[in-house]
Amino acid sequence: GAVVSQHPSRVICKSGTSVKIECRSLDFQATTMFWYRQFPKKSLMLMATSNEGSKATYEQGVEKDKFLINHASLTLSTLTVTSAHPEDSSFYICSASHPPKSYGYTFGSGTRLTVV
Amino acid sequence: RKEVEQDPGPFNVPEGATVAFNCTYSNSASQSFFWYRQDCRKEPKLLMSVYSSGNEDGRFTAQLNRASQYISLLIRDSKLSDSATYLCVVNMYNAGNMLTFGGGTRLMVKP
Repeated sequence: GAVVSQHPSRVICKSGTSVKIECRSLDFQATTMFWYRQFPKKSLMLMATSNEGSKATYEQGVEKDKFLINHASLTLSTLTVTSAHPEDSSFYICSASHPPKSYGYTFGSGTRLTVV
Repeated sequence: RKEVEQDPGPFNVPEGATVAFNCTYSNSASQSFFWYRQDCRKEPKLLMSVYSSGNEDGRFTAQLNRASQYISLLIRDSKLSDSATYLCVVNMYNAGNMLTFGGGTRLMVKP
């Protein structure tokens, strides 16, 4: 089945530093990937849609300069949290659909970010 | 009004019980529907798709009522391992093919 690999699974960083999270589709090509964040006991909230070869589409209220998304290939999308602050601490999850527009989506295993 | 609404629970049930979750969605243009399961601190995993004709997978039965914009999930003979949060998810292809998640319903199955 379709596999999406995400890493790191857990990261602790200091305030003001940047953190990069990678999301890879291992056995299929994903022209579109999605990035979500989830706070404790809350549902997933879509942050942005990552489009291969073009700019990401951000949801309202999500700062594109703070959450940099790069989708340079059909199998890799990255999310960089720049100048992280403690309020950025959250569970970040990527997903991709395979095959496109069909069935559900496959999720990465998530990245738990803690900013201290 | 939220686009996808669920009762957050928790639903506390004994092993062997039958439990049902409901979900309503607001956008009539929604085209695909799913139930996902999410364990604590893990990513969501697809439990089953939901079809207009209703579908069953072992102890799990999902139903869709497009007229009422309502989705349900029935779990029979609950197991301890069914304890998780169940997410109702809707896909609108004309909205960039993205998923919209309900807030989730937490299920706790007790011995």
